Parts: sequence; structure tokens; C-alpha cells
Amino acid sequence: DAGVTQSPTHLIKTRGQQVTLRCSPKSGHDTVSWYQQALGQGPQFIFQYYEEEERQRGNFPDRFSGHQFPNYSSELNVNALLLGDSALYLCASGTVNTGELFFGEGSRLTVL
Amino acid sequence: GQQLNQSPQSMFIQEGEDVSMNCTSSSIFNTWLWYKQEPGEGPVLLIALYKAGELTSNGRLTAQFGITRKDSFLNISASIPSDVGIYFCAGRGERMYSGGGADGLTFGKGTHLIIQP
Repeated sequence: DAGVTQSPTHLIKTRGQQVTLRCSPKSGHDTVSWYQQALGQGPQFIFQYYEEEERQRGNFPDRFSGHQFPNYSSELNVNALLLGDSALYLCASGTVNTGELFFGEGSRLTVL
Repeated sequence: GQQLNQSPQSMFIQEGEDVSMNCTSSSIFNTWLWYKQEPGEGPVLLIALYKAGELTSNGRLTAQFGITRKDSFLNISASIPSDVGIYFCAGRGERMYSGGGADGLTFGKGTHLIIQP
């Protein structure tokens, strides 16, 4: 049983560009959440998707957007990249009725 | 917004020693989770707590959900070299949404555990 999978694992972009990160949840899970983890910090909540809709959102600007597909997989899009967007982006999946979240290994984004 | 204070920031211990770390919150949480993260990897769930006062063990790990619902601790007994890593506490607030889902997790800044053989 595969856990949460994310792609790509590493990528480098320049300021002003756009990036799309992808996530497949653990089998049997129906919610997907995205977190940003800066170096030396704990993860910060970006947003959560359930039933293909954004349900809750953390303190992130509209440049951060996402999507959930009918098969529960999800994408995170970041537009107009800034240097400060460099971080590890983590996807976590769970079920709407339980509190546990399981994380993928992350996508390391470097903005130059 | 909610803030989590996790302490200590780092621990240098000898193999075989017991470890204790804790988190306190400015707000009430209805779920506490403890994760371990190693370099280049995502956080791995260790223990989940759902009820005030709950004490839960997972092997050599024991965690408790504080009675006030504003704190939690994690103990590791008889540490071994593979316990090295960064341990994060995470809490979820009380709000539930009629459309499904709940608040995102709020994470502490982590406790960096270093074990000297």
C-alpha cells in the first residue's frame, strides 16, 4: 500500500515564474492538505481540499492555489514566485472523519 | 492566531537515557499529534491524541494530552541512535466545518534530538 507520494522531489525556478506540485494521497484517504516548511521551521498550513473544494486556508496569499481531482489527487500552484517561496512543500492526506494526517516526503522548491 | 511553544529546542543526550519534550498552546486544541522528521524526508506520525488526559504509548514512546487541552508531552525511554531526528508537536483546533474537514494543523518549531553513543 503506497503512502502519500509527491512529485517532483526537487525543482529550481526563477523569480516571477509559476510552479505546479503534485500529490497522490494514501489509499483510502479523501482529504489532502498542503504545508510549507521553511528551513529550520515547522510546517505551515496552506490549505485543505475535500470533495474537490478548498475547505480551509491558512495565512497564504492568493498566489497559492490548488485543485483536487475526482481520484483525490491534488495539485498546488504558486504564481509569481518570490525568493521567500523557497521551501519544502509537504502534502498530507487523511480522512474527513479522523484527525490523523500522513505526510509525503515533500517537494523541495528553490527560487533563484 | 494559535501559537505553539515547543521545548527544548535541542537536546544532546547519551544513548540509553530517557527523553522528555513538551508543547504548550495559547489556545485549546482537540487533537494533538507528534511527528518525527529526518533530513530530506517528510514528517512521520508517531502518536495521535484525541481526548484530554489521554495517555498513549507506541513502543518506547509515550505521549499525553494535557487536561487543560493546551499542552502535550512526549517521552522516549531508553534512547537509541535511530531516535535521532527532529520531533514536532502539532495541534488542531476545535472548529469543524459543515462541509467537511477541520482546521489545519499548527506545528511547533521542533525539538532536535542528538544522541551521543
